[in-house]
Amino acid sequence: QLQLQESGPGLVKPSETLSLTCTVSGGSISSSSYYWGWIRQPPGKGLEWIGSIYYSGSTYYNPSLKSRVTISVDTSKNQFSLKLSSVTAADTAVYYCARLDTIFGEIDYWGQGTLVTVSS
Amino acid sequence: DIQMTQSPSTLSASVGDRVTITCRASQSISSWLAWYQQKPGKAPKLLIYKASSLESGVPSRFSGSGSGTEFTLTISSLQPDDFATYYCQQYNSYSLTFGGGTKVEIK
Repeated sequence: QLQLQESGPGLVKPSETLSLTCTVSGGSISSSSYYWGWIRQPPGKGLEWIGSIYYSGSTYYNPSLKSRVTISVDTSKNQFSLKLSSVTAADTAVYYCARLDTIFGEIDYWGQGTLVTVSS
Repeated sequence: DIQMTQSPSTLSASVGDRVTITCRASQSISSWLAWYQQKPGKAPKLLIYKASSLESGVPSRFSGSGSGTEFTLTISSLQPDDFATYYCQQYNSYSLTFGGGTKVEIK
């Protein structure tokens, strides 16, 4: 059974960089059938796609966040990571990592989510 | 960017009711649409993909339809476990967008 687990600091100061890692177990991140992505959800609000990465390293970002986002992959560790720079309180959210199908783009596996609070 | 508009934002219904949620895309997305159910404190769960394909393990009372710009999620007979928030999501040119969500509440 595939499992995804987010890890990283739960508190980040304004203007600093948010860094999270997703560890994939029970399957290979190098599958050609899937992308790996980050989605976030501010408290009490809806879902926002941040970006996706293919095992080859090809990346796709939400245009509204593109200038601040970097997603990378480490196939040797079966992990992928998110960096979001210059954070503000508006970046406070539950951050999910997820697996996306390459053809129809549905998300069939999600991590449990991790709350990241931006505060001094 | 493709915008997804869900309606209604809140829906009050009773157990046994037939429930329909609508999602409209700002431009044609063919059948590249998925539906999710989310309960408080939990990650979303995939219900429908490719507009009308039922994810394995999802009860058959859930169904999806539509193509192009207009899509619907139908719950044929609402069960107690179905009270949750539902999201649509489009996929186009490697980009994703979610609808704003529909909260299904107990009437």
